[in-house]
Amino acid sequence: DAGVIQSPRHEVTEMGQEVTLRCKPISGHDYLFWYRQTMMRGLELLIYFNNNVPIDDSGMPEDRFSAKMPNASFSTLKIQPSEPRDSAVYFCASSNSGSVTQYFGPGTRLLVL
Amino acid sequence: GIQVEQSPPDLILQEGANSTLRCNFSDSVNNLQWFHQNPWGQLINLFYIPSGTKQNGRLSATTVATERYSLLYISSSQTTDSGVYFCAAASGGGADGLTFGKGTHLIIQP
Repeated sequence: DAGVIQSPRHEVTEMGQEVTLRCKPISGHDYLFWYRQTMMRGLELLIYFNNNVPIDDSGMPEDRFSAKMPNASFSTLKIQPSEPRDSAVYFCASSNSGSVTQYFGPGTRLLVL
Repeated sequence: GIQVEQSPPDLILQEGANSTLRCNFSDSVNNLQWFHQNPWGQLINLFYIPSGTKQNGRLSATTVATERYSLLYISSSQTTDSGVYFCAAASGGGADGLTFGKGTHLIIQP
């Protein structure tokens, strides 16, 4: 069974550009989470979805960040415009309501110059 | 929201040693998980343990929910156990997003 898939694995962009991160959860999982990891703030929850519906987006830093889940097998996290302080590793995780164990993808390492 | 604190922040041990990592949380929890982040950055789930005790090979975990702490035990450490161990908790519904502690950075020397 394939795990959580994220793309791209690495992204280098310039300040002001739009960045789109992608995630494919484990098949059959109905919860999807986006986390961000930085040295200063550690691992923090940005947003999570249940059955493709956003449940809690209180961790989204500001209006430059948006997330969508158009179907059960795909989610995007978009940053527009990007800033150097957005540089971090962005993780996607999924779980199902029958077993709340969260499974993490490999992460996307984002560098904004 | 819930606060999660881990100790010690850093731990250096020789191969074969045993260790205990601690996680304190500020509120009652419905969801508590331990993760290992390996040197390549991958986060691996070790235990889902909102209460009680579980064991998986050389690793075991105990959560005392009434006293708001959890312990992760690693026995007979191997160099492959090196990395950062995170405790994460949620106090709402069982499948809520998790609040992570700052982690314990473990180095196992050969």
